[in-house]
Amino acid sequence: DARVTQTPRHKVTEMGQEVTMRCQPILGHNTVFWYRQTMMQGLELLAYFRNRAPLDDSGMPKDRFSAEMPDATLATLKIQPSEPRDSAVYFCASGLPTGWETQYFGPGTRLLVL
Amino acid sequence: AQTVTQSQPEMSVQEAETVTLSCTYDTSESNYYLFWYKQPPSRQMILVIRQEAYKQQNATENRFSVNFQKAAKSFSLKISDSQLGDTAMYFCAFMMLGGSEKLVFGKGTKLTVNP
Repeated sequence: DARVTQTPRHKVTEMGQEVTMRCQPILGHNTVFWYRQTMMQGLELLAYFRNRAPLDDSGMPKDRFSAEMPDATLATLKIQPSEPRDSAVYFCASGLPTGWETQYFGPGTRLLVL
Repeated sequence: AQTVTQSQPEMSVQEAETVTLSCTYDTSESNYYLFWYKQPPSRQMILVIRQEAYKQQNATENRFSVNFQKAAKSFSLKISDSQLGDTAMYFCAFMMLGGSEKLVFGKGTKLTVNP
């Protein structure tokens, strides 16, 4: 049963610290998405990649957030420096080269910045 | 920009009964996809059902079906024979075909199935 995996599942950190979240897309999926879920804003897209190339990162605060795909099996989302308003659940999702419109979500990383 | 509206923040239903969750969307595009995702307390996002806008036939998946009204820009989800495991947040989502592949989500409806 192929699944998107995310690590860590939970992260508590102090304001100003760097946070790195990792995602392993389903093998063979070439499109990777990062979403953020908060009570106030709901679910919103931060960035997405196809074949490791960033296609849209307009939803991401550029001054502190960065997203990369070092290789086809790993996507990372970094926050530096972190702020309390970054507290949220961060989801990674992946999609097939064909049938990309169906996105399969990972379990999420719950981040709390104190 | 596309928007998705779910007007029912919370709903409840008795086990074995039928419930319908509402969703409306706003777009000037003609080619798009619509989705319902389920998020149980575990927070995992699970795809429930998908509808292609060019298809007139409403999608069905076992106990889940949609009523897609393209002209009215309405996309409701019907859950038949509700089960306790259906208790979750349900999100309606929109994706434009041929453009940005991002999902635009509604705010969600919290569904509780009572025994």
